[in-house]
Amino acid sequence: LAKTTQPISMDSYEGQEVNITCSHNNIATNDYITWYQQFPSQGPRFIIQGYKTKVTNEVASLFIPADRKSSTLSLPRVSLSDTAVYYCLVGDGDSGAGSYQLTFGKGTKLSVIP
Amino acid sequence: DAGVIQSPRHEVTEMGQEVTLRCKPISGHNSLFWYRQTMMRGLELLIYFNNNVPIDDSGMPEDRFSAKMPNASFSTLKIQPSEPRDSAVYFCASKRGFNSPLHFGNGTRLTVT
Repeated sequence: LAKTTQPISMDSYEGQEVNITCSHNNIATNDYITWYQQFPSQGPRFIIQGYKTKVTNEVASLFIPADRKSSTLSLPRVSLSDTAVYYCLVGDGDSGAGSYQLTFGKGTKLSVIP
Repeated sequence: DAGVIQSPRHEVTEMGQEVTLRCKPISGHNSLFWYRQTMMRGLELLIYFNNNVPIDDSGMPEDRFSAKMPNASFSTLKIQPSEPRDSAVYFCASKRGFNSPLHFGNGTRLTVT
């Protein structure tokens, strides 16, 4: 089971780019890397997913180095509404046993300051 | 798309009572997950189903907890008898298959007094 490590918290000013790094040293060959965002009183919401190199969508970018032992979520020009907890999740590849490895870590609490 | 629907949104009950939480996954999703979230323990995976079959219930804390998925559009999580330490937010999530994202409901906030 790939364990993930993220910073507990981060602060950023509005308009800045925020990079949150997640370590996952024992990621398996078939594992994907997925990031979720959670606001208070809501369930986590999918942001972005990748396997290797770089993925970009309308919300964020995900950078994954060649060894895949870490990944970085990049949020461009954050606003106050981006204040939330961000989770890195590793797993979900077809392990052949029909099982998912979908365990959340502690997440990173991002606070955006005006 | 209505998303994952959970009910009730809030539940307050007394210790010893039976509690039943309900979940309707997104149509077409073949996997369903029950999570519990507390400040102390974060998001914990309790159990998940593939094609209505329970696959891994190792996260279920005790025999007081049970989950069923009688069909592809409905699942329940039951706690009997409930205890104050069961107080938490319980989330249901569904997904379409491997390498697809989880879709969460808005959760049920359970308070056991």
